[in-house]
Amino acid sequence: GQNIDQPTEMTATEGAIVQINCTYQTSGFNGLFWYQQHAGEAPTFLSYNVLDGLEEKGRFSSFLSRSKGYSYLLLKELQMKDSASYLCAVMDSNYQLIWGAGTKLIIKP
Amino acid sequence: GAVVSQHPSWVICKSGTSVKIECRSLDFQATTMFWYRQFPKQSLMLMATSNEGSKATYEQGVEKDKFLINHASLTLSTLTVTSAHPEDSSFYICSAHSGGAENTQYFGPGTRLTVL
Repeated sequence: GQNIDQPTEMTATEGAIVQINCTYQTSGFNGLFWYQQHAGEAPTFLSYNVLDGLEEKGRFSSFLSRSKGYSYLLLKELQMKDSASYLCAVMDSNYQLIWGAGTKLIIKP
Repeated sequence: GAVVSQHPSWVICKSGTSVKIECRSLDFQATTMFWYRQFPKQSLMLMATSNEGSKATYEQGVEKDKFLINHASLTLSTLTVTSAHPEDSSFYICSAHSGGAENTQYFGPGTRLTVL
């Protein structure tokens, strides 16, 4: 079966760094995505990894290891507005996104 | 990034009525669009995959006669909730697949449906 695992909830301090991990087992692989979703809103696209390695985009970076079925999203210089759910999703061979349940990130002052 | 719009943003209707939700890709052509629903504090649930010019593919447990999907053009897909009931109240979100090198799904802002 297809499975995406990520922690349910994480807490971090404003200004710090947090890493959200995601492991996956899917039929086929056409890339891994990270989305941010604030309560009551639709997800917004953060990053896309299809090759191994680190992709950096401002305060956010995403890493992928296809051989390990593993990715992480790294958020630096945390701000209060970063409090949200972070969704990991893998695009399978049919171009459908298989979703993790999301990680709720709580930022404390 | 690409822009996807949804209309309406929110709708309140009486039980037994039908509601149509539109999803448009504004600056790219999407051969494939997806419809999701999301209950409070839960993850996204894929309802159906909509391909332009063909019938939608529904996920197991989703009634195709209740949730009618039409993908008439490369920039527009519609979801009609027929004979809506209070249990259909949810947040409905569409996404459009950009394809090509970008190969990314972009989400519309969502439609909050409340059935009284």
